[in-house]
Amino acid sequence: GAGVSQSPRYKVAKRGQDVALRCDPISGHVSLFWYQQALGQGPEFLTYFQNEAQLDKSGLPSDRFFAERPEGSVSTLKIQRTQQEDSAVYLCASSLAEGAGLGIYPEAFFGQGTRLTVV
Amino acid sequence: AQSVTQLGSHVSVSEGALVLLRCNYSSSVPPYLFWYVQYPNQGLQLLLKYTSAATLVKGINGFEAEFKKSETSFHLTKPSAHMSDAAEYFCAVSDPYGNKLVFGAGTILRVKS
Repeated sequence: GAGVSQSPRYKVAKRGQDVALRCDPISGHVSLFWYQQALGQGPEFLTYFQNEAQLDKSGLPSDRFFAERPEGSVSTLKIQRTQQEDSAVYLCASSLAEGAGLGIYPEAFFGQGTRLTVV
Repeated sequence: AQSVTQLGSHVSVSEGALVLLRCNYSSSVPPYLFWYVQYPNQGLQLLLKYTSAATLVKGINGFEAEFKKSETSFHLTKPSAHMSDAAEYFCAVSDPYGNKLVFGAGTILRVKS
């Protein structure tokens, strides 16, 4: 497709359940980002991949959160033993990353997000 | 470390009036600055970006923003508000390598008829 695609769009999980959120980036985009957006807040960085390498996971809130991008394309964000505080919209973004640091800023394109509600 | 402060969680203007959404940033490196718009149940859409070229940046839908280093500000303006501008607006800062964006808390713009 032309844009970043995320699935499912909505997910309701019972507390303690494991969930997996999928992100299909724009074809050819090297960089992929996950953000968490709590209700009434701005998005907060979770993790960043360049191809299949996870270069920054400093934003993951706990060891219950795990992200992977095994073939450098599709990425999955997994949350184990979900808690109510995990309820949020999870946004995925991708960018070309070419020219990074050379004044050619790699614009990030965002998907519509997955709204996770933990009950 | 980088951070963004958006002054005013809600702004209300009349249709046809000036829109001014405020953003101040903090960055230890030369910043790249952005404004995104988010419509209900939609993803973030880039309005405009500052990447160390011209300090006055023009974006889509008639919006523009001016980078003022002395004031560490990047306020978003539009001369005449339209009903379709009603949305939530986020200011964000990044380092030149684009490794991640740091967002403000957002400002909800309401346009009154």
